[in-house]
Amino acid sequence: RKEVEQDPGPFNVPEGATVAFNCTYSNSASQSFFWYRQDCRKEPKLLMSVYSSGNEDGRFTAQLNRASQYISLLIRDSKLSDSATYLCSFSGGYNKLIFGAGTRLAVHP
Amino acid sequence: EPEVTQTPSHQVTQMGQEVILRCVPISNHLYFYWYRQILGQKVEFLVSFYNNEISEKSEIFDDQFSVERPDGSNFTLKIRSTKLEDSAMYFCASSEQTSGGTDTQYFGPGTRLTVL
Repeated sequence: RKEVEQDPGPFNVPEGATVAFNCTYSNSASQSFFWYRQDCRKEPKLLMSVYSSGNEDGRFTAQLNRASQYISLLIRDSKLSDSATYLCSFSGGYNKLIFGAGTRLAVHP
Repeated sequence: EPEVTQTPSHQVTQMGQEVILRCVPISNHLYFYWYRQILGQKVEFLVSFYNNEISEKSEIFDDQFSVERPDGSNFTLKIRSTKLEDSAMYFCASSEQTSGGTDTQYFGPGTRLTVL
């Protein structure tokens, strides 16, 4: 099983749509989980950390399911500016991040 | 808002040459990292650095690579003899601390390395 798997997409959605991404991980010892956003040829930018109880930041909701070893990201009311690649990541050791290959989102008018 | 900075933004070099990529982490951060991303591929961990020594490194980080914190602000990645396959975007990151898990890491804008 790969360390982390993401659906590469692209997800093509209209403005205002709700879209959800999942990411599975293989290391059951991982303690920290994150969603990063990456625009073309730019650095990953932290979108949100993912907590066991689930957490929300405006239009974004992140969930963690330890039993099934996946995290999810829900984006409500999609904006054109949400178009990017969304990277899931988790702690792969004491202080390194393992990244997924990313899910591409394209929001169209 | 404090941010990680990197120089140069783009480095072109000939195969076999040495390159040094520079990073200035966020000032109160204690952990520093290098990652790389080959075009079209995922971000890969190279090395983490704390208290003036390497705390973890990946299989990619072989003897051709080294890191250094030459002064109180810079953090450098040196590639001794570049290969074509070293062409990638190199990201520096820093975090305030790690407390058993992994603290949030903030990434610099990257240096695009092109080896000819």
